Order: sequence, then C-alpha cells, then structure tokens
Amino acid sequence: ETGVTQTPRHLVMGMTNKKSLKCEQHLGHNAMYWYKQSAKKPLELMFVYNFKEQTENNSVPSRFSPECPNSSHLFLHLHTLQPEDSALYLCASSQAELSYEQYFGPGTRLTVT
Amino acid sequence: KNQVEQSPQSLIILEGKNCTLQCNYTVSPFSNLRWYKQDTGRGPVSLTIMTFSENTKSNGRYTATLDADTKQSSLHITASQLSDSASYICVVTFRTSGTYKYIFGTGTRLKVLA
Repeated sequence: ETGVTQTPRHLVMGMTNKKSLKCEQHLGHNAMYWYKQSAKKPLELMFVYNFKEQTENNSVPSRFSPECPNSSHLFLHLHTLQPEDSALYLCASSQAELSYEQYFGPGTRLTVT
Repeated sequence: KNQVEQSPQSLIILEGKNCTLQCNYTVSPFSNLRWYKQDTGRGPVSLTIMTFSENTKSNGRYTATLDADTKQSSLHITASQLSDSASYICVVTFRTSGTYKYIFGTGTRLKVLA
C-alpha cells in the first residue's frame, strides 16, 4: 500500500461513545498532521507531530486526544463528542515539519449523533 | 490579520472551456503559495507550489500565477474536463517564531458539465 491511508472512511458515533481514527503513511516521512474540514470552512490544523513528538496543538478540545506511537502511525482518539464535531478528518504527512509538501489521506467522514 | 480569500465560491462551466480561479492573501511574511485539488470524499492533492520569486508555474492543463506585490494568485484551467470537477484550495505559508504556519482558503468548488 502506498501514500497515506486512513481508517475507517466513515464513522457514525453517539455523543457518549469512544472511538479512534487511524492514519498510516508509507512514504517514510517524519511529520504527521491531523486536520478538521467542515463544510464551507477552511481546513483547520489540529495537531502536528514531528519525529513522534507533538509540536503543535491548536487549542483543540480535550475530547480529541492524539497519539503517535511511531513516525508511520497517527491516531485520533475521540470521546464524548458533540454534534458540531461532525466533519471530515484528514491526516497528512510530510518529509519534515518545515517541509513544503504535505501528502493527505482520503479522510474519515465523522458523524456525531 | 493573516487571511486567504478565494473567489468565486463556486463555478459551473461546460467541458472544454477555460476558467480562472482567484486567491488573494494578506499573509506576511510570505513563504510560498500552493494550490490543491480536492475531489469529493478525498484528501487534497497538490497541483503547484510557488515561492516569492516565481510568477508562473504549470502542471499540465493547470497554470498558476503569482503577483507577490499585489498578493494575488490565480489558477487557470485550460480545456476543462469532467474530471476537473472538484474543490480547489489555495494555501499560503508564512514563517513565524522559527516555524512555518499554513493559512488555508475556503476553496472554490468547480463543476464541469458535459
């Protein structure tokens, strides 16, 4: 498998559920990112990891908890979400944190009921 | 305030026609500007990246221009195809406190009709 993969592609969860999104990159990159994309809004950068260390957290609510066990895998753990958290969650990777080029995965379409 | 504005919000054209999408930014200090294409239900894919000194860059039927003085960029699509139907996102990078930041536009949704 090549590029950046994300699972699941679609997720419906209740506000009391706990779920996790998974991202895997097969590009040998060192930096990974989580973005949120809501309808008619710009992409919002949520978290940045560089060499497994979190280097950026853009004031994301604690109900979103990222985990980066190694440079190839990134998780986003979800709990007690709100309906307004429904969005497309995109994972991306780049060679280095300061690199120009980011490669995006296909995203997970999350619906919170 | 660092902002990226794209116009139009949406556009419908007939297959074979040309179109131009606009991106205006107030980001400073400017590092580079990228155009992404995002198909429905997919992640964005990079089309072009331009630095301060570059005025024009092409990728097949896609040609991006940059005017760093007026802080404007455009993406011109020639001889459009049905597969060009997508959202096109402009992203401007700037450097602050020793790190890079990205400012994303809201995108232009293009629909190409047969």
